[in-house]
Amino acid sequence: DTAVSQTPKYLVTQMGNDKSIKCEQNLGHDTMYWYKQDSKKFLKIMFSYNNKELIINETVPNRFSPKSPDKAHLNLHINSLELGDSAVYFCASSRTSSNIQYFGAGTRLSVL
Amino acid sequence: EDKVVQSPLSLVVHEGDTVTLNCSYEVTNFRSLLWYKQEKKAPTFLFMLTSSGIEKKSGRLSSILDKKELFSILNITATQTGDSAVYLCAVVSNFGNEKLTFGTGTRLTIIP
Repeated sequence: DTAVSQTPKYLVTQMGNDKSIKCEQNLGHDTMYWYKQDSKKFLKIMFSYNNKELIINETVPNRFSPKSPDKAHLNLHINSLELGDSAVYFCASSRTSSNIQYFGAGTRLSVL
Repeated sequence: EDKVVQSPLSLVVHEGDTVTLNCSYEVTNFRSLLWYKQEKKAPTFLFMLTSSGIEKKSGRLSSILDKKELFSILNITATQTGDSAVYLCAVVSNFGNEKLTFGTGTRLTIIP
């Protein structure tokens, strides 16, 4: 009964590959987010979707493309992976009327 | 650009001690401030503060916000080893979305 679930938990891949991370929430929230946490533990927003519509798009390389097939899912696709993409990626969700965001367990991406 | 600064960056105390973690911020159109606890995986929500001077309390944890001086503190009394974690402060600015801007966190270590 995990509220926000991400798959996979770990992803190890070579430079230049394309990979996807999936996120699903069963909280009935209508807003979902992707964050990147670097080696210094700094969490930074990447994208946000509200009711499948992109509302936040921070300065992120366009190799990163989020896709929201429905309100409960927000996937992150990354093309041409680079060493600097290595980080932990967190998905989160919230109700539109609330500032409280609930986080998934994270996906640790290692690019070799 | 919104900015959140936490101090200290790390703190090591003995079990039973009381600690105070600090968070100062500079944001446009402040809406709320949130505290999260991050152990090994997902940040978990602790408090949301929107009004100055009103203490939020949950067991041994409490937090208060000062909107005039632009800071918040998180207090933990009678610390236990289970309190060891990174404590994250985040602010929400009112741009019609719920983007969280995080500080770099305070790493708290409790020695038995």
